Formats: sequence, C-alpha cells, structure tokens
Amino acid sequence: NAGVTQTPKFRVLKTGQSMTLLCAQDMNHEYMYWYRQDPGMGLRLIHYSVGEGTTAKGEVPDGYNVSRLKKQNFLLGLESAAPSQTSVYFCASSYSSTGEERKYFGPGTRLTVT
Amino acid sequence: LAKTTQPISMDSYEGQEVNITCSHNNIATNDYITWYQQFPSQGPRFIIQGYKTKVTNEVASLFIPADRKSSTLSLPRVSLSDTAVYYCLVGLRFMDSNYQLIWGAGTKLIIKP
Repeated sequence: NAGVTQTPKFRVLKTGQSMTLLCAQDMNHEYMYWYRQDPGMGLRLIHYSVGEGTTAKGEVPDGYNVSRLKKQNFLLGLESAAPSQTSVYFCASSYSSTGEERKYFGPGTRLTVT
Repeated sequence: LAKTTQPISMDSYEGQEVNITCSHNNIATNDYITWYQQFPSQGPRFIIQGYKTKVTNEVASLFIPADRKSSTLSLPRVSLSDTAVYYCLVGLRFMDSNYQLIWGAGTKLIIKP
C-alpha cells in the first residue's frame, strides 16, 4: 500500500514550457486534490476532483488544468509555465470532501520555473 | 477576509508541553477543526481532529472552546522529532455564504535539547 505517490519529485522548467504532474493513490479514494505551497502562505487549493471524470476549480486555478480519467490518477498540467508557478505542489486524496475527512498527502513535487 | 491565524514560529525544549493556537472566527457551524504536521520535504500528515470541547489521541490533544472561534493543539512532553510545521485546517463560511476549507499559514515549531 503506497498511499499517495507523485512524479516527478523535482523539475526545472523554462518560461513558456509545459509539463504534467502525475498523482496516483491506491486507497480507492473518490476525492483528489492538487495544492501548491509557498513560503508563509500555507497550502492553497488549485483544483480538485470528486470522482472519475469530474474536476472543479479551487482557490488558485489560473494557469493550470487537470484531468481525472481514472479513479486512481489525478493529473495537473501547466500549459505555459511562468515564474509565478515556482512552488511545491502536493497532491492529496480523501474518502469525502468534508472538513471531517482526513486527507492523505503525497511527498510533493518541487517545481522551479526560470 | 475570513481566514485562520496561527503564530509563525515557536521554540520549546525537550520534555515540555507545547500549545499552538489557531484562531478561526468564521468557522462553519458544522465543520471540524483538523491539525496536520509537516516535516521538511514531506507532505502534511494528519495529527488530530475535533468538533468541540476536547479530543485526545496517542500523540496530541485538541482543545476547542464553546464558541469554536479558536482551537489549541497541545503536544505533551515534546522531543526533538516534534520539530516540524503545524497547520490548522477548518471550514470557513464567507460573507457570500461560500464555503471553503482554509489552511492556516503554519506554525514552525523548533524543539531544542
């Protein structure tokens, strides 16, 4: 049982390049999330998914797209990377989306955009 | 702007009890308060969760006053391995009735020998 895994762990992009971050969970969770974490700002929700084939915008969705083609995978795409997207990205999953439901996090992807 | 507020950092010594408070004035009526712990280069990890009064598990206690506008995470007899960043997470109801789960900015706890 690997929990939540993320690939890659590190990436450096040049402005304007694109990339996809992959998140996978093996806990059969319905809900999956993508967060970004910047110094002094805690975690901010980018996009989330309430089930296979569905996605929704979070707090800071601009510049990102997501897809949930399979229940266990949640992809985060950057079509044209900008330096403001330099951050640590965390994927999480949970059984439901209420405040009661604990979230399980991946180890993170550190992205630098130059 | 409705949000959660925590101290930016705290220091303590091994064996002491540490209390970290999070204020959340606009907490949603039926929502829980959850605390997470994060070590460097790792994702946050669930510590404890509560709705009201007091909750205790094997690693921490959570104290929530009757008005639920704040909560205090209590770590008994801390050790060096408790050095981490601690986040509170609550559901907040905004002026337009919109609901969001909001993370605090985190409290960096440093435990000294």
